[in-house]
Amino acid sequence: DGGITQSPKYLFRKEGQNVTLSCEQNLNHDAMYWYRQDPGQGLRLIYYSQIVNDFQKGDIAEGYSVSREKKESFPLTVTSAQKNPTAFYLCASSTSGRDYNEQFFGPGTRLTVL
Amino acid sequence: AQKITQTQPGMFVQEKEAVTLDCTYDTSDQSYGLFWYKQPSSGEMIFLIYQGSYDEQNATEGRYSLNFQKARKSANLVISASQLGDSAMYFCAMREAYTGGFKTIFGAGTRLFVKA
Repeated sequence: DGGITQSPKYLFRKEGQNVTLSCEQNLNHDAMYWYRQDPGQGLRLIYYSQIVNDFQKGDIAEGYSVSREKKESFPLTVTSAQKNPTAFYLCASSTSGRDYNEQFFGPGTRLTVL
Repeated sequence: AQKITQTQPGMFVQEKEAVTLDCTYDTSDQSYGLFWYKQPSSGEMIFLIYQGSYDEQNATEGRYSLNFQKARKSANLVISASQLGDSAMYFCAMREAYTGGFKTIFGAGTRLFVKA
């Protein structure tokens, strides 16, 4: 089955620790995205990547880092510089381009900082 | 400035009735795409419907239709014959050109409650 997987589903982190969230897709999509969602809020774009080995900062990139070494994978690292990392993180992918290209979302990772 | 505005934080609708969720957007692009997603309490994002800026007909997908008024920059979602399973958060989104490619911007969402 084609789709996007995110792991882990729940993640707990101590303050001051870096943590990496996994996102893998087998849809052969060029573009991948990371969003953050706080309770009762919409999605805010952290980073996005249109092709392998290239990525762009979104609206709230500070305290986060990404890599795109493979087409299928777009891991997100939440660094200790992120002051309030507790949130729900969603990864998405799509075909590139402007036309009809809905984003397919993973099931999300809920990160809690203890 | 807000690119996507959803003015209804919460909406109630009686089961089997129709409901309209409002969305207005702001862009200077001539070509863009508008989307609606549903997010149940489980957190997954479910694609509902798409409208291209050059599409002359309003998009429809089953019980979902998009009331697209380009001059007003509005893209309201209409759900007909509401079901209890429609209770969820609904997000309006717009895809437009940005540095390095294209990205999708989401509104703050509307929580829909369907009453039995």
